[in-house]
Amino acid sequence: DQQVKQNSPSLSVQEGRISILNCDYTNSMFDYFLWYKKYPAEGPTFLISISSIKDKNEDGRFTVFLNKSAKHLSLHIVPSQPGDSAVYFCAAGGQSWLSFGAGTTVTVRA
Amino acid sequence: NAGVMQNPRHLVRRRGQEARLRCSPMKGHSHVYWYRQLPEEGLKFMVYLQKENIIDESGMPKERFSAEFPKEGPSILRIQQVVRGDSAAYFCASSPGHDAEAFFGQGTRLTVV
Repeated sequence: DQQVKQNSPSLSVQEGRISILNCDYTNSMFDYFLWYKKYPAEGPTFLISISSIKDKNEDGRFTVFLNKSAKHLSLHIVPSQPGDSAVYFCAAGGQSWLSFGAGTTVTVRA
Repeated sequence: NAGVMQNPRHLVRRRGQEARLRCSPMKGHSHVYWYRQLPEEGLKFMVYLQKENIIDESGMPKERFSAEFPKEGPSILRIQQVVRGDSAAYFCASSPGHDAEAFFGQGTRLTVV
């Protein structure tokens, strides 16, 4: 039962433009949400997180938005850079371990 | 300040052999998680451990798989009598507590031939 869903398996964006990644969840007990970035043959690296008491968290080029009523979160990357090309995983916590989405592969075109 | 260390990075086993995957968490982290990533899929939770205790193993197959996190030494994920379907990347993560950022190791890529 997939509790965290990333419905877009891939995203292509031009360098300098905004990348928007989306994530939906079903478990209302989740109270902590994270985004991870993963390069091939490496482990996921933590990017940014947000707790359920907030609706926005910003860190440099990365902003995460949380809409609790819609059980939806998104990650905005602006401006997108070639080094941002990677797989991005959405994760949710609140049940002692993190549930992950299937990932979205982002390709930033020069 | 070393991160999460996993070894080996690559492991090849013949069907029926045993695979042992090791994970040393970050200093100060007492929570360890194991995840598996099958080709073209996301990260699937397997097991959550704290020192000497299995907290949640609901994602781990009941047979052939076991995990431990002893008082001293790394966490071990053990797969007995491996089959081709066990071929995957196995990632370990650690955190200082649940509902905190989990930091991942580089993974162990298991190939069963």
